[in-house]
Amino acid sequence: GAGVSQSPSNKVTEKGKDVELRCDPISGHTALYWYRQSLGQGLEFLIYFQGNSAPDKSGLPSDRFSAERTGGSVSTLTIQRTQQEDSAVYLCASAEMGINSPLHFGNGTRLTVT
Amino acid sequence: QQQVKQSPQSLIVQKGGISIINCAYENTAFDYFPWYQQFPGKGPALLIAIRPDVSEKKEGRFTISFNKSAKQFSLHIMDSQPGDSATYFCAASKPQGAQKLVFGQGTRLTINP
Repeated sequence: GAGVSQSPSNKVTEKGKDVELRCDPISGHTALYWYRQSLGQGLEFLIYFQGNSAPDKSGLPSDRFSAERTGGSVSTLTIQRTQQEDSAVYLCASAEMGINSPLHFGNGTRLTVT
Repeated sequence: QQQVKQSPQSLIVQKGGISIINCAYENTAFDYFPWYQQFPGKGPALLIAIRPDVSEKKEGRFTISFNKSAKQFSLHIMDSQPGDSATYFCAASKPQGAQKLVFGQGTRLTINP
């Protein structure tokens, strides 16, 4: 079946501009995560959605970052007033309900802020 | 504060050899330890995972060894193949279900034919 889909695959933006990154999770997956992968770094947790519960935003690095999940499916990560240090690969993952459910990652959006 | 330390950063192994990647964690509340494999341009994919109630888990050529007292776990790839060349990440998470995984820095593995 279809995996996690992210768009765009690449995004180049100028410093100070806003960007929106989209994630389409696997159908039926109730949990959705955003991670950030910087060059030479591991993956950094950003935000987590589970069903209709309030999202866990504890990993968002600043108030310039926000995310929403509409209808329990598609999610959008928004970065306002982008900075060069925001350049990274932004990965979305989804999972079924349950503590043993593996995360299924998309291929990410590579964001470059010039 | 890095909670999961992974080594080595890069590793070159001959085809047929054993690849070993090590991770150490600090937080004793962690109870789930997965390994992810990532190919260039792709997202990470779950390879194998272990919980601390067992000391070893094997799936095919991949084995996780877990040492709770030392707070260390490792990935062993037996009979390494060129197709295993990828970046490997260890990770850890706490109970409560949400997989807010804390990842290691990654190991770039190259298997020479």
